[in-house]
Amino acid sequence: EPEVTQTPSHQVTQMGQEVILRCVPISNHLYFYWYRQILGQKVEFLVSFYNNEISEKSEIFDDQFSVERPDGSNFTLKIRSTKLEDSAMYFCADKREADTQYFGPGTRLTVL
Amino acid sequence: SQQGEEDPQALSIQEGENATMNCSYKTSINNLQWYRQNSGRGLVHLILIRSNEREKHSGRLRVTLDTSKKSSSLLITASRAADTASYFCATDYSGTYKYIFGTGTRLKVLA
Repeated sequence: EPEVTQTPSHQVTQMGQEVILRCVPISNHLYFYWYRQILGQKVEFLVSFYNNEISEKSEIFDDQFSVERPDGSNFTLKIRSTKLEDSAMYFCADKREADTQYFGPGTRLTVL
Repeated sequence: SQQGEEDPQALSIQEGENATMNCSYKTSINNLQWYRQNSGRGLVHLILIRSNEREKHSGRLRVTLDTSKKSSSLLITASRAADTASYFCATDYSGTYKYIFGTGTRLKVLA
């Protein structure tokens, strides 16, 4: 069964550094999402992406964040200047139309 | 707020018993999905129920949806120790392009 994959599984970075989190969605899926989960808390929506543009973003998704689909397969989340409070699990998800949303295994981001 | 809320926040039962978790939401939805998350791991999709459906089954799982009460329940029958995890509902609100997750129920099944 096709799966959403994410790399790296764990990223450690210094505060102020840029990070890029990568996701490879399921090939025929059209809608893409990023979520984050701070340790012990609930999953929070960051951004949705369809047809090469952002459909919706949350208040968390400020100017420090950006997403792109550079080559038609990978879907990336960039954080330009990481803060301590960006430490969390970041999940990529995708789906077809009005269908099940599938999640990747997540990237654990630790900002020191 | 569109935030979903699950109750109970934590549930501890004996193996073989049934576990029921509830989720409430705020406004009209397209569908509602239930996910399981083992500690520190990813989200595993369990069941999707659409707004025009009232009940769905998958193995030992039964999900109901009451749109008049804006609530859903997840029933796990004959629970096993391996069912120990956190369970989340996620709602796809009409007119939005996002899913809102509830706060989750931490289920512990004792062998």
